Amino acid sequence: DTGVSQNPRHKITKRGQNVTFRCDPISEHNRLYWYRQTLGQGPEFLTYFQNEAQLEKSRLLSDRFSAERPKGSFSTLEIQRTEQGDSAMYLCASSRRTSGSYNEQFFGPGTRLTVL
Amino acid sequence: GIQVEQSPPDLILQEGANSTLRCNFSDSVNNLQWFHQNPWGQLINLFYIPSGTKQNGRLSATTVATERYSLLYISSSQTTDSGVYFCAVAESGYSTLTFGKGTMLLVSP
Repeated sequence: DTGVSQNPRHKITKRGQNVTFRCDPISEHNRLYWYRQTLGQGPEFLTYFQNEAQLEKSRLLSDRFSAERPKGSFSTLEIQRTEQGDSAMYLCASSRRTSGSYNEQFFGPGTRLTVL
Repeated sequence: GIQVEQSPPDLILQEGANSTLRCNFSDSVNNLQWFHQNPWGQLINLFYIPSGTKQNGRLSATTVATERYSLLYISSSQTTDSGVYFCAVAESGYSTLTFGKGTMLLVSP
């Protein structure tokens, strides 16, 4: 169990550029979640996958944001035409969903995005 | 959606003191987790405790689901306990977590 990993750990970009983040969940975890945390706040849910299916998207996820989990393993989160308001820590979590049970989520170290 | 309130928002302790952090939530839940966020932003899992009581070393937690609150106890606090403590819940029927605003704990030597 190597834990959830995220890359890059830090990203600085100019307004209007596109950025992509990657998350590798704990192996055999079939659920993968993306959250966003701004300064002084708790993380907020963005979207989640069960295997390769995207099951829920928050209203926070504007049409500039897209997430994929093509083979049910790693996931990518892309932000197009970045804005200064997108500056935040982007956190990924994974859990093992078993029948009838909601399981503990484990978080990665996050990707800190700064939009200049 | 479900509301999560944590108290106190800030707490300053002398090393060796005990403390209790509280988490109130507005609806029934199927998941409740306590996290410690370190200075680098990593969320460290402390407890998965949708109901009942658990202990891990100097830390323990109790969730009374019927009364919609959870408590995190820290005994004999150490400077390394400093940081932000978050409570997060998943509303019944959902799996996504809703976080409180956290309790910022500072333990001084």
